[in-house]
Amino acid sequence: DQQVKQNSPSLSVQEGRISILNCDYTNSMFDYFLWYKKYPAEGPTFLISISSIKDKNEDGRFTVFLNKSAKHLSLHIVPSQPGDSAVYFCAATITGTASKLTFGTGTRLQVTL
Amino acid sequence: DAGVIQSPRHEVTEMGQEVTLRCKPISGHNSLFWYRQTMMRGLELLIYFNNNVPIDDSGMPEDRFSAKMPNASFSTLKIQPSEPRDSAVYFCASSFSGSHQETQYFGPGTRLLVL
Repeated sequence: DQQVKQNSPSLSVQEGRISILNCDYTNSMFDYFLWYKKYPAEGPTFLISISSIKDKNEDGRFTVFLNKSAKHLSLHIVPSQPGDSAVYFCAATITGTASKLTFGTGTRLQVTL
Repeated sequence: DAGVIQSPRHEVTEMGQEVTLRCKPISGHNSLFWYRQTMMRGLELLIYFNNNVPIDDSGMPEDRFSAKMPNASFSTLKIQPSEPRDSAVYFCASSFSGSHQETQYFGPGTRLLVL
């Protein structure tokens, strides 16, 4: 039972354009959401997060949007750069569960020149 | 800070052999997590510890898998006997549980191949 879903296994975007990565969840108890980025042969690294009390969080070129009613979040990267090419994982947790995260299956982003 | 350290980085073994993966969490972190990454299922949580105590091992596939955390700076994940379907990348992560933003920091992973 996949509680966090990333339905697009891959995405290709031109350099300078916007990348939009999507994530859906089914567990309404989740109240904190994170995006991780993973390069080949490395572990995932934390990118950005959002609490359920907000609907938007921005950090430089990265913005995460949360739509609680739709149980959907998205990561926007503007402008996209070749160094953004990686696998992006969406994760969700319930605050107070000692950081237990439930991850999606990941979306591979390819930023082309 | 050296970050989360995992060893070995790569392991090739034959079916039936015992495999032991090791992890050193970031100093001061009190939660430790073992994940397995496969193409089909992405990142799956196998087990996690809080203050060296196993909290949730519901993700451990079967009795062939076991994990220990004898102290705050060391954990092992053991597979005995190993099978080809155990081939995957195994990640260890740690975090400080108690802050609102409970970010996990991952090690580089151990790539396991069971022949």
